[in-house]
Amino acid sequence: KAGVTQTPRYLIKTRGQQVTLSCSPISGHRSVSWYQQTPGQGLQFLFEYFSETQRNKGNFPGRFSGRQFSNSRSEMNVSTLELGDSALYLCASSRDSPDLGEKLFFGSGTQLSVL
Amino acid sequence: AQKVTQAQTEISVVEKEDVTLDCVYETRDTTYYLFWYKQPPSGELVFLIRRNSFDEQNEISGRYSWNFQKSTSSFNFTITASQVVDSAVYFCALKGGSGGSNYKLTFGKGTLLTVNP
Repeated sequence: KAGVTQTPRYLIKTRGQQVTLSCSPISGHRSVSWYQQTPGQGLQFLFEYFSETQRNKGNFPGRFSGRQFSNSRSEMNVSTLELGDSALYLCASSRDSPDLGEKLFFGSGTQLSVL
Repeated sequence: AQKVTQAQTEISVVEKEDVTLDCVYETRDTTYYLFWYKQPPSGELVFLIRRNSFDEQNEISGRYSWNFQKSTSSFNFTITASQVVDSAVYFCALKGGSGGSNYKLTFGKGTLLTVNP
């Protein structure tokens, strides 16, 4: 069974540009969430999607957005990039069973560098 | 608000030593789950264990063991007879049961464990 796939693995952009990151969840998983990882702030929750609906959003500016498609694949977009957006962006998927303890499966991330 | 604190930023040990990674959490939820994840240099977070708030039994899995104590809001992780392959960043995380917190993990800042040969 394939794991969570994130593309691209590395990305270099300049300030002011926009970027789109892609995530394909494990087959059968319907929940996809995104996290930003930086040395200073650690792992921070961005948003979570289920059945194409955003169920929860973290404390990030509106420049960060996402969506989920009918096949559960997800994309996140960051517009007007700032230097501080440089980070490892991790995607995670889960089955979203009623079990609160449903574990998340993470991809290897997209390393974004903003110059 | 939920919070997870991993006070140890970095730990360095020599192979075969035992090492304990500390995790302290805060939550107002009565139902919640605690997790430990391992992040090797490849970047992918690897699930290690989960424990719900009603199950305070300690767990052992091979060289790994976990001690959950609600009285002190701690969920500590011990590696016995550490090996070089255990070198990684370890994260403790909390998932609450209400207010949307059930859809996200709140992570600690992580502990970088280096096991030297």
